[in-house]
Amino acid sequence: GENVEQHPSTLSVQEGDSAVIKCTYSDSASNYFPWYKQELGKGPQLIIDIRSNVGEKKDQRIAVTLNKTAKHFSLHITETQPEDSAVYFCAASRGYKLSFGAGTTVTVRA
Amino acid sequence: EAGVVQSPRYKIIEKKQPVAFWCNPISGHNTLYWYRQNLGQGPELLIRYENEEAVDDSQLPKDRFSAERLKGVDSTLKIQPAELGDSAVYLCASSFSGTARAENEKLFFGSGTQLSVL
Repeated sequence: GENVEQHPSTLSVQEGDSAVIKCTYSDSASNYFPWYKQELGKGPQLIIDIRSNVGEKKDQRIAVTLNKTAKHFSLHITETQPEDSAVYFCAASRGYKLSFGAGTTVTVRA
Repeated sequence: EAGVVQSPRYKIIEKKQPVAFWCNPISGHNTLYWYRQNLGQGPELLIRYENEEAVDDSQLPKDRFSAERLKGVDSTLKIQPAELGDSAVYLCASSFSGTARAENEKLFFGSGTQLSVL
């Protein structure tokens, strides 16, 4: 099955700086790569996703890049704000079955 | 629009006791998922329903776990008997399965039920 590895496990950034989270996947047939944000006591919330036919996607302060050849994808958050503090999960799927990374705890320091 | 609703939010039980979790998906979403999230890890799929049919239950420990979605809307996940290792957050998610592939894969999660087995 699909194996998704996510780095780093924790990330602390100064408010206003950028945050980058990287993931690798094992199944070359995976074609859908969403990112989820999970706040304490809540379920994961989809924040951005990308498909294998696209190399980059941006939505305001967040962007995702995908390198199919290397089988890795990354989340970029620019101009970080305190409300960006949360656990972020990457995932990969072929069809409906999502395989999640272990998560990155992002802390934005004021 | 109401999101995915789960209850209870928290459940504390002693081992060997039964426990049940309930989920009401987003209106119009015909695909429903149950995930388990262990502390410090990402969610792992337990079972997926298309309407009332369980189309993937390969990851469900069938000796003690069961699930149902009788009318293709609400769903219940049960554990009987619970073991210490079942302590986790149980998440329900739903998605819309239609002709637009781009929307089929967007999962919407509930807030989960945090289970503690003592």
